[in-house]
Amino acid sequence: EVQLLESGGGLVQPGGSLRLSCAASAFSFSSYAMSWVRQAPGKGLEWVSGISGSADRTYYTDSVKGRFTISRDNSKNTLYLQMNSLRAEDTAVYYCAKDRSYYDYSGYPYDAFDIWGQGTMVTVSS
Amino acid sequence: DIQMTQSPSSLSASVGDRVTITCRASQSIDKYLNWYQQKPGKAPKLLIYAASSLQSGVPSRFSGSASGTDFTLTISSLQPEDFATYYCQQSYRSLYTFGQGTKLEIK
Repeated sequence: EVQLLESGGGLVQPGGSLRLSCAASAFSFSSYAMSWVRQAPGKGLEWVSGISGSADRTYYTDSVKGRFTISRDNSKNTLYLQMNSLRAEDTAVYYCAKDRSYYDYSGYPYDAFDIWGQGTMVTVSS
Repeated sequence: DIQMTQSPSSLSASVGDRVTITCRASQSIDKYLNWYQQKPGKAPKLLIYAASSLQSGVPSRFSGSASGTDFTLTISSLQPEDFATYYCQQSYRSLYTFGQGTKLEIK
């Protein structure tokens, strides 16, 4: 069964650091872009960061640029999110998601998150 | 960044009702629009990709359509398991964005 399993969440003080991991199984991990999506308590979904399958391209939402770093180890089928200089507003459940490309009749790819992990909670508080 | 605006933010309906949720993009995104369903305490689930294509395993009562920068998710006949929060998401630019969500509640 295709599966994503996040770990590494917890309680951290403002200004602290945390590294999240996402272990993938039962699919060709290196063939797919991956993303991190977060959800603050009682709020909506927010895309945080994405990385290409070969890790040559990375993307970040403005609020985490310069503080968070996405990476992956394709030999270990694992996605990471290094979070530094954490703020209270970073408190959220963090999901990793597999980014699948669907192709229409003309061959154009349309991307969507077809597989999600169960999420890991990050709480930034003193 | 591309902004996605969903309406309504909440909706009350009954089992058997036909329901429509709308998402508007701040610029043209072709049909790079996806819909997700999320139940409390659970991860989101992909329903519709490329504006109108049904994800494998999703019931056919769910459908999506597009008109310019306006996108619609329709549930033809609500079932008890459909009461959840629904999100649209654009994948036109690599800096993906979600709508703010529509909570569908039982009337």
